Amino acid sequence: NAGVMQNPRHLVRRRGQEARLRCSPVKGHSHVYWYRQLPEEGLKFMVYLQKENIIDESGMPKERFSAEFPKEGPSILRIQQVVRGDSAAYFCASSVGQETQYFGPGTRLLVL
Amino acid sequence: DAKTTQPPSMDCAEGRAANLPCNHSTISGNEYVYWYRQIHSQGPQYIIHGLKNNETNEMASLIITEDRKSSTLILPHATLRDTAVYYCIDRRSGNTGKLIFGQGTTLQVKP
Repeated sequence: NAGVMQNPRHLVRRRGQEARLRCSPVKGHSHVYWYRQLPEEGLKFMVYLQKENIIDESGMPKERFSAEFPKEGPSILRIQQVVRGDSAAYFCASSVGQETQYFGPGTRLLVL
Repeated sequence: DAKTTQPPSMDCAEGRAANLPCNHSTISGNEYVYWYRQIHSQGPQYIIHGLKNNETNEMASLIITEDRKSSTLILPHATLRDTAVYYCIDRRSGNTGKLIFGQGTTLQVKP
């Protein structure tokens, strides 16, 4: 069975560009979570989504960041006008209901 | 902020059991104890979880004290591939689902 898939695995952007990170959950999982890990820091929750709904976005920066999980297709974490401080590893996790979360391999974003 | 406390680092000899402690003195009755690990910046890997009974799976055993204020993750025969940061997290069933990671314990398995 395929686990959580994330792409791209590595993404390089220049300041001011947009970054789009994709997450395909485990088949049958309808709950998706995004976490961010800044260099040399711990994992921080960003947002929790169910199909077509944002349930908890308490960890999302107020500006430039958005997330969606459409009825069809992967979940997308979008960062507009990236800055160097956005450089981090972004991890997606999925679950059945609010049960155990399984994580993907992450996307490493580097902003030049 | 994380509600669990763990030692920042531990060493273990290869082939020996690794016992990783966690204090969760403020845990409430409907909160589970979850353990994850992160190997060298890979995605966190689920290990095991429990409510009040001891649990065992193919990866590890989880021992929870009777008062539920602390627990121990046991890797019975540690290998070099078990070198990782181990996170203990208490998580309430039915909450919004987010995991709150602390700093974890860096386990170094040595030959």
